[in-house]
Amino acid sequence: SYELTQPPSVSVSPGQTATITCSGDKLGDKYACWYQQKPGQSPVLVIYQDNKRPSGIPERFSGSNSGNTATLTISGTQAMDEADYYCQAWDSTTGVFGTGTKVTVL
Amino acid sequence: QLQLQESGPGLVKPSETLSLTCTVSGGSISSRSYHWGWIRQPPGKGLEWIGSIYYSGSTSYNASLKSRVTISVDTSKNQFSLKLSSVTAADTAVYYCARQQRFIAASHTANWFDPWGQGTLVTVSS
Repeated sequence: SYELTQPPSVSVSPGQTATITCSGDKLGDKYACWYQQKPGQSPVLVIYQDNKRPSGIPERFSGSNSGNTATLTISGTQAMDEADYYCQAWDSTTGVFGTGTKVTVL
Repeated sequence: QLQLQESGPGLVKPSETLSLTCTVSGGSISSRSYHWGWIRQPPGKGLEWIGSIYYSGSTSYNASLKSRVTISVDTSKNQFSLKLSSVTAADTAVYYCARQQRFIAASHTANWFDPWGQGTLVTVSS
């Protein structure tokens, strides 16, 4: 079965850039999306179709996807960005979520 | 604004069938633009896609759960439902429903879930 691997944790200082990776076989040949999930809340879509931001998502969130890796970048990270982040892609007709990354803003 | 709300028993006994319903408001489940999905999250763990359905009744399921899962749609009530049979403690999770959007390109298709319901915790225990 298809798997997506993320680093368990990423730490970033306020105002700096956080980079979260998502690795999967030939992931660049698929579309990736990203979700943010804060404690006790439902996931929220922050990036879809590799690099598109839904309405209401701040410009500091951006995405890219090439080769075997999709990347979510948070520029000028704020305390409110502290959360778990999950990538997702589709292998044929099957939805696959990444293992998740906890972003800590120190 | 589209909203989704999960409902169903919060406690299910082992070997029985888990049944949940997602009620969609602020939009039509019969829209040809969307599919509708179920996702779950065991306590303290990551997200797992369970399956999705189109208003016509066409379904797709996670292979690891396919033998136990049935997703159905009731367009007259603007609802879709999940049934998971022969549950065990490993099925204890927060269950989410969500709208699934698609973009079909020449070589592959993008799918994403937005928005999500608030989720409902289902505990499997005797």
